[in-house]
Amino acid sequence: DGGITQSPKYLFRKEGQNVTLSCEQNLNHDAMYWYRQDPGQGLRLIYYSQIVNDFQKGDIAEGYSVSREKKESFPLTVTSAQKNPTAFYLCASSMARAGNQPQHFGDGTRLSIL
Amino acid sequence: GNSVTQMEGPVTLSEEAFLTINCTYTATGYPSLFWYVQYPGEGLQLLLKATKADDKGSNKGFEATYRKETTSFHLEKGSVQVSDSAVYFCALSTYNDMRFGAGTRLTVKP
Repeated sequence: DGGITQSPKYLFRKEGQNVTLSCEQNLNHDAMYWYRQDPGQGLRLIYYSQIVNDFQKGDIAEGYSVSREKKESFPLTVTSAQKNPTAFYLCASSMARAGNQPQHFGDGTRLSIL
Repeated sequence: GNSVTQMEGPVTLSEEAFLTINCTYTATGYPSLFWYVQYPGEGLQLLLKATKADDKGSNKGFEATYRKETTSFHLEKGSVQVSDSAVYFCALSTYNDMRFGAGTRLTVKP
């Protein structure tokens, strides 16, 4: 089955630590996205990538970093500079950036502070 | 800039009741419009979409019509079930941007 796999499902971060969230897709999609979801709020875009080796900041990129070395993979690193990292993180992909193409989502990673 | 406004929740209904969740948008150009559903602990799933004015998207008994004159895309279902309990997100997409509403939590009681 084609889809998006996020891992781990739950992640705990210590103070001053960087952590990396994994996102893999086998849909052959060009565009990939990272969103942050806080309780009772909508999705906020962290980073997106339209093509391998290229990515752009979204609305709340500070304290986060990404890479896109392969079409299938778009890992997100939450750095120690992100002072309030506790949230639900969602990865998504689409055939192309925006337009009439819907996004396909993974099941998310819940990050908490120890 | 582009934005989506949804009715605030939570919405609580009895089984077999009629559902409406309001969604209005602001966008430059001619966006595509989507409804997504999120079940507890999961990601978002596409529920339905419409890509031009007067299009009606439909799926699993849910419907929404793209109304350009009122910039709206309200979600409706004639008879909800307990299994419809979830958070519903309205979204728009233009050639270079995608925006989501804040989500509306629906609880359906037996």
